This record gives sequence, structure tokens and C-alpha cells, in this order.
Amino acid sequence: NAGVTQTPKFQVLKTGQSMTLQCAQDMNHEYMSWYRQDPGMGLRLIHYSVGAGITDQGEVPNGYNVSRSTTEDFPLRLLSAAPSQTSVYFCASKTGVGNSPLHFGNGTRLTVT
Amino acid sequence: TQLLEQSPQFLSIQEGENLTVYCNSSSVFSSLQWYRQEPGEGPVLLVTVVTGGEVKKLKRLTFQFGDARKDSSLHITAAQPGDTGLYLCAGPESDSNYQLIWGAGTKLIIKP
Repeated sequence: NAGVTQTPKFQVLKTGQSMTLQCAQDMNHEYMSWYRQDPGMGLRLIHYSVGAGITDQGEVPNGYNVSRSTTEDFPLRLLSAAPSQTSVYFCASKTGVGNSPLHFGNGTRLTVT
Repeated sequence: TQLLEQSPQFLSIQEGENLTVYCNSSSVFSSLQWYRQEPGEGPVLLVTVVTGGEVKKLKRLTFQFGDARKDSSLHITAAQPGDTGLYLCAGPESDSNYQLIWGAGTKLIIKP
């Protein structure tokens, strides 16, 4: 009963480095998304996907790339890390059925120095 | 633009007290959801309210959806330290099966 699995749990990067945050879900959900959570700003949508091969931008997409080659996996790539990307990142998935819940991973705390 | 405003932003009370937190909008929502997020974890759905005026109870937590479907409240009776967390409300974006509008949350601390 894994649900949504995110790795790593913590990461420290230097400015300019790149990295990939991994996200996998085992619930066969068509929708997957990435959020960042900053104090006082709530959850902000970075990118989302409504199925394999389909991705789209959310509210704050700049500096991030995503791909969706399978239903299960939705990695988030930071191309050239900046201190403004210091945040907690959450991956979440859901079905397309009406009021179905959004299932979250436990987050990745990223610090960019 | 659909917005959800939560109040208060922060609440710290003693164990055993009652409290109410609010989620308000000037827009009509087809439904609203409440999530609770504990430190170091992702948000977890508590309840979905769908019908205007609806009241749902989850043990000591009572959720209400406003008659006009523009607001919701969460009332906790006899709060316990285990209720500590960030409470988030969310509603579906118009014309979307997937996207949610999020409130900024109420951070609740229950002191023993």
C-alpha cells in the first residue's frame, strides 16, 4: 500500500547544479502534479500531467521540467538550481472522478545555497 | 479568479478548548475539501462537502459548507494535541476535473 512515493527526502544543492526529484504512484491515477510549499504562500502548482505523454504548466513552472513516460512515474527536473527554489516539494496524484482526493507524497525538502 | 481565504492564519490554544477555522471565497464552488498536514508529511484529505448547507462530522471535527457554497468552516470540539497541524481547504477549478484552488492554510497548535 505504497501510494505516492517521493525521493529523496532531503537534498542540498549549490547554485547552478541540476537534479531530478523522483515521484512514483501505484494507484493507476491518470493525474499527477508537482507543488511547492513555502511558508505563508500555501501550495503552488508547478507542473501537472493528465496522462502518459501529456504535461502542462501550472502557476510557477519557470526553472523546472517534467516528463510523463509512464502512468506511474512523474519526475521533476531542476535545470540550474537557484536559491529561490529552496522549498518543500510535493508530488500528488488523483483520478479524474469528480471529488476524488488528491494523494500526496511525503515531500522533498530542498535547500539551494 | 477563484480564491480561497483561510482564517485565522495561526491559532494556538490549550487542550480541551473549542475552535473554529474558516475558508471563504467570493466565488461559488461545486465542492470544498479539507486536508490536514502534519509536520514532515503531505496533506491528507479529511472530508469533502458537496451540498450547500451540508454538515459532516468526523469524531470531534465538524465541517460545514455554506448555503451559497462560497464558504466552509471546521469546528473542533475539545481539541487534543493530536489535532495539531496545518489545515488546508481546497476547491475544484471551474471547468477542470483535476485542478484545485488552495487556501493558504491555518496552522493549529494544541498545547497539552
